[in-house]
Amino acid sequence: GENVEQHPSTLSVQEGDSAVIKCTYSDSASNYFPWYKQELGKRPQLIIDIRSNVGEKKDQRIAVTLNKTAKHFSLHITETQPEDSAVYFCAASWGGGADGLTFGKGTHLIIQP
Amino acid sequence: KAGVTQTPRYLIKTRGQQVTLSCSPISGHRSVSWYQQTPGQGLQFLFEYFSETQRNKGNFPGRFSGRQFSNSRSEMNVSTLELGDSALYLCASSSTGGVSTDTQYFGPGTRLTVL
Repeated sequence: GENVEQHPSTLSVQEGDSAVIKCTYSDSASNYFPWYKQELGKRPQLIIDIRSNVGEKKDQRIAVTLNKTAKHFSLHITETQPEDSAVYFCAASWGGGADGLTFGKGTHLIIQP
Repeated sequence: KAGVTQTPRYLIKTRGQQVTLSCSPISGHRSVSWYQQTPGQGLQFLFEYFSETQRNKGNFPGRFSGRQFSNSRSEMNVSTLELGDSALYLCASSSTGGVSTDTQYFGPGTRLTVL
């Protein structure tokens, strides 16, 4: 089955700086890659996703890049703000929804004032 | 539209008991997936239901089961509870679960504590 590795497990950045979180996946059939943000005690919320026919997607300060050849994808957050502090999860799925999402272990992002 | 809801939000059970958790998807969504979240293992896929049929199952023992009703509401059951079953159980709904994966929206979860 699919295996998703996520790095780093903890990332501390100064407010205003950029943050990058990287994930690799094992199943070349995976074609859907969402990123979720989970604040303490709350549900995971989708922040951005990308499908395999696209190499990059951007939404305001958040962007995701996908390299299908290398089987890795990354989350980029620019101009970080205190409210960006949370745990971020990457995930992969090969489609149809039936397989479920395979998640990385999460990255605890800490924004230092 | 109302979001995904889960009941109960908190449960305390003892080893050997069984438990049933409920999930109501977003109106119009037909796919419901269940996940277990623990500090050690992270988020792990349990199973997915679409139109009352289980389409896939993760790597969990048979003590974990589920079902889906005609109104798309889903329940999961854990029998013969073990200490290691203590976790946050999340369900997620998506609109079609068709050929292309749709966005999954998560509920608030049920926090299960097994004593």
